[in-house]
Amino acid sequence: AQSVTQPDIHITVSEGASLELRCNYSYGATPYLFWYVQSPGQGLQLLLKYFSGDTLVQGIKGFEAEFKRSQSSFNLRKPSVHWSDAAEYFCAVAANTGGFKTIFGAGTRLFVKA
Amino acid sequence: GAVVSQHPSRVICKSGTSVKIECRSLDFQATTMFWYRQFPKQSLMLMATSNEGSKATYEQGVEKDKFLINHASLTLSTLTVTSAHPEDSSFYICSAGGLAGVDEQFFGPGTRLTVL
Repeated sequence: AQSVTQPDIHITVSEGASLELRCNYSYGATPYLFWYVQSPGQGLQLLLKYFSGDTLVQGIKGFEAEFKRSQSSFNLRKPSVHWSDAAEYFCAVAANTGGFKTIFGAGTRLFVKA
Repeated sequence: GAVVSQHPSRVICKSGTSVKIECRSLDFQATTMFWYRQFPKQSLMLMATSNEGSKATYEQGVEKDKFLINHASLTLSTLTVTSAHPEDSSFYICSAGGLAGVDEQFFGPGTRLTVL
């Protein structure tokens, strides 16, 4: 069955430090992969997506993610974290399960310390 | 990007009453909308896929008679929680997407339901 795993429930980084959020997926076909961010009490905002082509994807707010098929991973990175990046981050895969559906990982809460 | 609105943003109701939540795509037509439920500090759980002009497709374990979904137009889908109970208290989020969920989905801001 299709699944998305975000192994880190929460991560704390210092402002200005680099960030990497991990995401692994399980899906037999070529995946459609997404990273979304959710601020408290808010809906989700798309950071970036991967459908095909260049495996390094650039997104908004200085985020990027790299698709590695051999590792079934789609990790999110940012070279320098800002305090406003503190939020919940969700990795997701669109899977064809008798109609395409988006399956979300459990999320990683990012804390940024001054 | 496309905008999806939800109304109300917060609702408090008594146990046994029904609550309707609206999801609107403001600047595009959405043949497919999705309803999610999110418990505190947890991920989004897909409840159902709402298709304009046809019956919604519910995920396993979601009670169809409990969570009534209507997608009467290309810009509006509604979720009605019938005979609500405290365990139905949650954050409900809708989304509208292209290509039946393959492409980016645009999410509403969510509705916080509290059942007393």
